[in-house]
Amino acid sequence: AQKITQTQPGMFVQEKEAVTLDCTYDTSDPSYGLFWYKQPSSGEMIFLIYQGSYDQQNATEGRYSLNFQKARKSANLVISASQLGDSAMYFCAMREGGGKLIFGQGTELSVKP
Amino acid sequence: DARVTQTPRHKVTEMGQEVTMRCQPILGHNTVFWYRQTMMQGLELLAYFRNRAPLDDSGMPKDRFSAEMPDATLATLKIQPSEPRDSAVYFCASGAPGRPSGSPEQYFGPGTRLTVT
Repeated sequence: AQKITQTQPGMFVQEKEAVTLDCTYDTSDPSYGLFWYKQPSSGEMIFLIYQGSYDQQNATEGRYSLNFQKARKSANLVISASQLGDSAMYFCAMREGGGKLIFGQGTELSVKP
Repeated sequence: DARVTQTPRHKVTEMGQEVTMRCQPILGHNTVFWYRQTMMQGLELLAYFRNRAPLDDSGMPKDRFSAEMPDATLATLKIQPSEPRDSAVYFCASGAPGRPSGSPEQYFGPGTRLTVT
């Protein structure tokens, strides 16, 4: 069974607008972490934002925020004021006990000028 | 600026040849992960180490793949013999000490793009 699901293979957004990338997860472990990574065409994996399962507030990092809805098991990434440089693949990942990350299939975001 | 380094960045080899990929984790990080990325399977964990000891290599084909950490500054992933289906990008990532589920620090290297013909 899929543990991390990203239902949007591709997304388009107009420059300067906000966009939400969806991610749902499945775990029975009460202690877990949720991550978002960006992979531009150059191929590197860039860490964006992290949310711990016990964190009371949604994580924010600059233009990135994580909409964490624990009861719904969702951890959507919100990018505000999109820029052309935000065009990339975005991966949601979950860490359960042990440290390893399980990745979703990714969402390809295209920012239009 | 501390980074994970990987060598080589690109490797083209013929089927049957041995391939060795190397990774230097960020100094002070005690966990090292090997991931493989393909179009079909996405990103999948192959193996990981904590304090140089292998913790999980269930994602790795045991008959041809091996992963080691000869010392704290070097992790290797070896494929012998290589096959065309091994063509992929292989990422190394390192993580800092701390609660496994709470530590956000897992940083990726630039990857090794392997092509087996």
